[in-house]
Amino acid sequence: SQELEQSPQSLIVQEGKNLTINCTSSKTLYGLYWYKQKYGEGLIFLMMLQKGGEEKSHEKITAKLDEKKQQSSLHITASQPSHAGIYLCGAPRKTSYDKVIFGPGTSLSVIP
Amino acid sequence: DGGITQSPKYLFRKEGQNVTLSCEQNLNHDAMYWYRQDPGQGLRLIYYSQIVNDFQKGDIAEGYSVSREKKESFPLTVTSAQKNPTAFYLCASTYGRAYNSPLHFGNGTRLTVT
Repeated sequence: SQELEQSPQSLIVQEGKNLTINCTSSKTLYGLYWYKQKYGEGLIFLMMLQKGGEEKSHEKITAKLDEKKQQSSLHITASQPSHAGIYLCGAPRKTSYDKVIFGPGTSLSVIP
Repeated sequence: DGGITQSPKYLFRKEGQNVTLSCEQNLNHDAMYWYRQDPGQGLRLIYYSQIVNDFQKGDIAEGYSVSREKKESFPLTVTSAQKNPTAFYLCASTYGRAYNSPLHFGNGTRLTVT
């Protein structure tokens, strides 16, 4: 089973709408990364969260790590077609801080 | 500009042949990684290397081999022993330890084996 779960698996929204993507772990996270991927391309780093309760924003994207450090959310405000892609969360494993595992990804489509 | 270069972007091979995927970085990063991506499965770690001449197996190392003779280079060989080699392969690197330093990714190589 996946150590990191993401929901929803896919999302289709109208341009201008807000949306939230979730990333959940059954174990305490020692850091959480959010990436965006265009189909057939590499991953682009968005944000890194390390402390419980931490929240970071970049342009219209906000990410938060809950106090227990087991769940993170990525929120996009007033979505645009440029936000379309696959969003993946990643985290270092507790047993080996140099191993980074990833969730299965959430595919986002934004309809103009 | 600094970055990670993966080549080629598309690679086609016949079953039974070994194939080597190239990954070069000029970011002066110590650690390098290889991941495999299949539809709906996210990224799975194949091998990673923290320093030159040292590397560790990831979760799906069977059928793959790597070398790290230079800091800038971390080639991945997909051997004929890999049962399902067709996939999108991503190389990444990071400066420090992965728990506090995000990975930077190349643009990937799509390997098709028929």
